Amino acid sequence: ETGVTQSPTHLIKTRGQQVTLRCSSQSGHNTVSWYQQALGQGPQFIFQYYREEENGRGNFPPRFSGLQFPNYSSELNVNALELDDSALYLCATSLGTGVATNEKLFFGSGTQLSVL
Amino acid sequence: QKEVEQNSGPLSVPEGAIASLNCTYSDRGSQSFFWYRQYSGKSPELIMSIYSNGDKEDGRFTAQLNKASQYVSLLIRDSQPSDSATYLCAVNDEAGTALIFGKGTTLSVSS
Repeated sequence: ETGVTQSPTHLIKTRGQQVTLRCSSQSGHNTVSWYQQALGQGPQFIFQYYREEENGRGNFPPRFSGLQFPNYSSELNVNALELDDSALYLCATSLGTGVATNEKLFFGSGTQLSVL
Repeated sequence: QKEVEQNSGPLSVPEGAIASLNCTYSDRGSQSFFWYRQYSGKSPELIMSIYSNGDKEDGRFTAQLNKASQYVSLLIRDSQPSDSATYLCAVNDEAGTALIFGKGTTLSVSS
């Protein structure tokens, strides 16, 4: 039990639609990162938010956007869905921003998105 | 572009044997190295982190790091069927903000 909750657990959308995925973390976890994990692949970093500001972004187009709220919850929004967006979306929270130090990431159980 | 390479497997070992999982990374500047276990349909779970050359042991698990060879390994002693999962190797990105994951190695432990 990591204390990180994601919703919904599963979602089916059609190409071109928009989707919002949600993540709720433990109190005090100021950092939330989102990862996309396609079938048979490792997770890929989408972006990170620290105290409601974007703090880093991976190689994803602008149609992937996010928000972080003061109550330690966050959203991942994806516009104009494409078939290749079908994946497991993971949020990971931590106290600070640095994975290069002794910072532990707490992963949520993920949202499985299917785009038809 | 930083890369993390793992043999996708599957790696099959009998119960009680030692499972050896390997990982290489491309960026000599990487400082932090992690092994995650992921059961099918579940999220990754941190098993070990290692930052210095050498071995680090935690129960049945030993992580080994060789920065000169850009090589990280995970040994699982006395493998159990419950160890059957995908093992992901990860290193920090250049900014120290995110993890770069390999594709994972699937381990199957037969009883």
